[in-house]
Amino acid sequence: EDQVTQSPEALRLQEGESSSLNCSYTVSGLRGLFWYRQDPGKGPEFLFTLYSAGEEKEKERLKATLTKKESFLHITAPKPEDSATYLCAVQANTDKLIFGTGTRLQVFP
Amino acid sequence: GAVVSQHPSRVICKSGTSVKIECRSLDFQATTMFWYRQFPKKSLMLMATSNEGSKATYEQGVEKDKFLINHASLTLSTLTVTSAHPEDSSFYICSARDLWGEGPLSDYGYTFGSGTRLTVV
Repeated sequence: EDQVTQSPEALRLQEGESSSLNCSYTVSGLRGLFWYRQDPGKGPEFLFTLYSAGEEKEKERLKATLTKKESFLHITAPKPEDSATYLCAVQANTDKLIFGTGTRLQVFP
Repeated sequence: GAVVSQHPSRVICKSGTSVKIECRSLDFQATTMFWYRQFPKKSLMLMATSNEGSKATYEQGVEKDKFLINHASLTLSTLTVTSAHPEDSSFYICSARDLWGEGPLSDYGYTFGSGTRLTVV
């Protein structure tokens, strides 16, 4: 069964304290792995799509990497405005996305 | 970038009434849209896949007679919660797949609406 697991469930960081979020997946035939940011009461905001192991993408303080079993979202020198829930999702052999349960990130000044 | 507009953002209705939620792709055509439900502090649960011009595909355990989906055009899908009850109160979100760029530089993603908070009293 296709499955996505995110860790940690919650993460508290001091402003400037870099860290990584993990997304482990088990899927038959990965077509794409997606990272989203979700603020309370809002829909998910697209961050990255990764397609194959070894691929990396960056956007401001965020960098996403992909291996055959997991993906990491690295946050460098985070700011309070980076506080949000970060969701990972995979697409297997259909158009459907399978979401993980998310990591709630809080960055304190 | 791709924009998906979802309305209303909040709705309160009485038990037993029906509520319609609209999802529009503003600057692209979407042959397929998706409807999700999200419980507090939980992840997104796919309810159904909406296909333009054909019947929606529902996930296991989702009542298709209760959650009516219509995808009448390439830019509009609607979700109608029929005979709503308090247990239907939730955050409903739609999404659509968009493709940008061409060839080796092409990329795609799933763009989400801003969600609808439904409260049934």
